[in-house]
Amino acid sequence: DTGVSQDPRHKITKRGQNVTFRCDPISEHNRLYWYRQTLGQGPEFLTYFQNEAQLEKSRLLSDRFSAERPKGSFSTLEIQRTEQGDSAMYLCASSFPGPSTDTQYFGPGTRLTVL
Amino acid sequence: AQSVTQLDSQVPVFEEAPVELRCNYSSSVSVYLFWYVQYPNQGLQLLLKYLSGSTLVESINGFEAEFNKSQTSFHLRKPSVHISDTAEYFCAVTGGTSYGKLTFGQGTILTVHP
Repeated sequence: DTGVSQDPRHKITKRGQNVTFRCDPISEHNRLYWYRQTLGQGPEFLTYFQNEAQLEKSRLLSDRFSAERPKGSFSTLEIQRTEQGDSAMYLCASSFPGPSTDTQYFGPGTRLTVL
Repeated sequence: AQSVTQLDSQVPVFEEAPVELRCNYSSSVSVYLFWYVQYPNQGLQLLLKYLSGSTLVESINGFEAEFNKSQTSFHLRKPSVHISDTAEYFCAVTGGTSYGKLTFGQGTILTVHP
């Protein structure tokens, strides 16, 4: 297994355009998380899935953001009508629940630049 | 709600010197604590974690962290750093109602000088 992968690694878009990112978790990991990291800050939680169910969403996830995990495997994060404030690194992580807690493994991230 | 405070945004040290990166957390429930490392142009990698049991946890590359419940701290230490330890380090917490969701600190940039 090669770990969590994300595509694309970099995305430059113009304000107002829609973008979609993909995350492929470690196989057999049934939990998948999205985080956003801006320059000089730690990652901030956006949402998470257990299998195909979206169990929690942050207030950071405005109605322009939508995430899906249709078959409980890969996930997509779509941002509609992008704004300059959306520029950030979008991180995906996956985990498999253990006896006490699960450890999240992160992908390399997708860096979004909104012009 | 949980929160994490990393008390130093940047820590410069010389090679082979000891280092301590400080992390304090706030939570009303039992917590699990993590340190992640992010090397330049790479993703987050798990360095070490505290789940239960011994309050002192170690990583494979010489780092250690001690969970101190009374002081709500989880400081990261290494007795002798290498140039290759230059990276950004993040402390994170999960537990209670936020089970699964990590809350991160702001990060500490460790720069090791020759």
